[in-house]
Amino acid sequence: GAVVSQHPSWVICKSGTSVKIECRSLDFQATTMFWYRQFPKQSLMLMATSNEGSKATYEQGVEKDKFLINHASLTLSTLTVTSAHPEDSSFYICSAGLLAGAGYEQYFGPGTRLTVT
Amino acid sequence: SQQGEEDPQALSIQEGENATMNCSYKTSINNLQWYRQNSGRGLVHLILIRSNEREKHSGRLRVTLDTSKKSSSLLITASRAADTASYFCATDVAGNKLTFGGGTRVLVKP
Repeated sequence: GAVVSQHPSWVICKSGTSVKIECRSLDFQATTMFWYRQFPKQSLMLMATSNEGSKATYEQGVEKDKFLINHASLTLSTLTVTSAHPEDSSFYICSAGLLAGAGYEQYFGPGTRLTVT
Repeated sequence: SQQGEEDPQALSIQEGENATMNCSYKTSINNLQWYRQNSGRGLVHLILIRSNEREKHSGRLRVTLDTSKKSSSLLITASRAADTASYFCATDVAGNKLTFGGGTRVLVKP
């Protein structure tokens, strides 16, 4: 149980184009999803918290107009990287929160590798 | 700045040996979680330990938490080549957001 999928798993796009990444909780409903980015050999940095039916909450330093987040249903959140540039190339990972017996746990998707040329 | 700092940054051991990695954090927490990440993959949740717990076990994994020192350790016993991965601690301070440490890259040599 508690499976999260991401699509696509990798994408290559040209500078200036926009890319949409989907995050789905497959077997549970998640009112809250999280978006992270990870540069090579570095840790995960939280970009934003996505709440179903409301606006996302962005971390300091993350441009909300560049990284558009939509959480239209309890099982789907999307991240759109607008006007992508090479410096946006990174590994993007989403997670979905689930209240379990021991506490609130996050279950992570497999990640999406974005390369902007 | 990151909430958690992990030590060591990298660890190389022989199969069958134990691997220990530590995580220190700065502020009070609700819970601390450990995750594993294989190269280029997503994260796998290993263990969650609450702030009022001191030790937790799951199979070959043992996690300790010392809130007075604001530190946690993850011990992997009888390591296997398949344990080769990066291990991250993450702290839940409030609002269910996780802040990740820098990670420890573990290499288990067969």
